[in-house]
Amino acid sequence: DQQVKQNSPSLSVQEGRISILNCDYTNSMFDYFLWYKKYPAEGPTFLISISSIKDKNEDGRFTVFLNKSAKHLSLHIVPSQPGDSAVYFCAAITSSGTYKYIFGTGTRLKVLA
Amino acid sequence: DSGVTQTPKHLITATGQRVTLRCSPRSGDLSVYWYQQSLDQGLQFLIHYYNGEERAKGNILERFSAQQFPDLHSELNLSSLELGDSALYFCASSATGNSYEQYFGPGTRLTVT
Repeated sequence: DQQVKQNSPSLSVQEGRISILNCDYTNSMFDYFLWYKKYPAEGPTFLISISSIKDKNEDGRFTVFLNKSAKHLSLHIVPSQPGDSAVYFCAAITSSGTYKYIFGTGTRLKVLA
Repeated sequence: DSGVTQTPKHLITATGQRVTLRCSPRSGDLSVYWYQQSLDQGLQFLIHYYNGEERAKGNILERFSAQQFPDLHSELNLSSLELGDSALYFCASSATGNSYEQYFGPGTRLTVT
């Protein structure tokens, strides 16, 4: 049972345009969400996070939106740069009760120069 | 550099064998997490240790075991290896037991032939 889903395995975007990566989840107990970026031959690195009490968090070119009613979050990268080309994982956490930390399957973003 | 180290970087072994993967967390971090990433799969959570004690178990096979030592480094032991165990194994650390942001090591690539 995949509780966190990234339905697009890959995405190509032109440099300077917006990249939108999507993530859906099924468990309403998740109360914190994160995005990680992964380059080849490296471990994932933390990018941005959002608490379930918010619907938006911004950090420079990166913005995460959370729609709790739709159980959907998205990562917007504006403007996209070639160095953003990587695999992006969303992760969801339940911090109360049994601690769970669940990753999606990842979306490979390619930013074309 | 996340500050998390993993050894070895690569490991090639035969079916039926046993291997040990080692992880040193960031200085001061008490939690260690182990993940498995198979080809085209997301990160599958295996196990979480906090300050020497097992905190949570994920999809970890009975053939696999882990421990965290008093100096906080951790080892993941994989035994009776099968071809399907070939994967990237990541270790991550965080400061506390319920931290949101995790810092990942570069991974150990295990190939079972």
